[in-house]
Amino acid sequence: DADVTQTPRNRITKTGKRIMLECSQTKGHDRMYWYRQDPGLGLRLIYYSFDVKDINKGEISDGYSVSRQAQAKFSLSLESAIPNQTALYFCATAGPSGTGELFFGEGSRLTVL
Amino acid sequence: SQELEQSPQSLIVQEGKNLTINCTSSKTLYGLYWYKQKYGEGLIFLMMLQKGGEEKSHEKITAKLDEKKQQSSLHITASQPSHAGIYLCGADGTGTASKLTFGTGTRLQVTL
Repeated sequence: DADVTQTPRNRITKTGKRIMLECSQTKGHDRMYWYRQDPGLGLRLIYYSFDVKDINKGEISDGYSVSRQAQAKFSLSLESAIPNQTALYFCATAGPSGTGELFFGEGSRLTVL
Repeated sequence: SQELEQSPQSLIVQEGKNLTINCTSSKTLYGLYWYKQKYGEGLIFLMMLQKGGEEKSHEKITAKLDEKKQQSSLHITASQPSHAGIYLCGADGTGTASKLTFGTGTRLQVTL
């Protein structure tokens, strides 16, 4: 089983719908991240969390919210999806400070019509 | 904010040829990370560079960080179809390795 699991892997929805992408990890890491990937734009950070009580906005947090339900779970929500939120979304975890290595899930492809 | 520019954006090479991908930062790098992504999949960590002039190798992939710590190169020797994918550099601009900023990626195709 994967260390970082994202659900759903693919989702097609309509403008205005609420969508939740879920991430769970078995690595025991405190740090968790949500990135989105768009062609030609690389990966951009949406939100990150260093523990259950610590949530931080990344560079493109507008239109998104997150919930850290437990050390192992970090969910990303789109309250009212819009077409320009169509992208590939990645959850990642990181170990203790100083290592810098991120462990990525396999991605959730979201299409907003 | 720190910006990373990768070049080229895409690359098609014949199997067996060598290639180089570059990553240039707008600010001094505290750490530079190289990742590989197979199309539509997650990213796999390749290697990390922290010291100016540092060079690391893994199988046929070598990465270097320049002395000024603002540019890194990734070199693949004798490319194989398994090297195909998207290569992304990520930077730690804070010195705490708390979050990474990524470049736009280089898409590599290896033809037979």
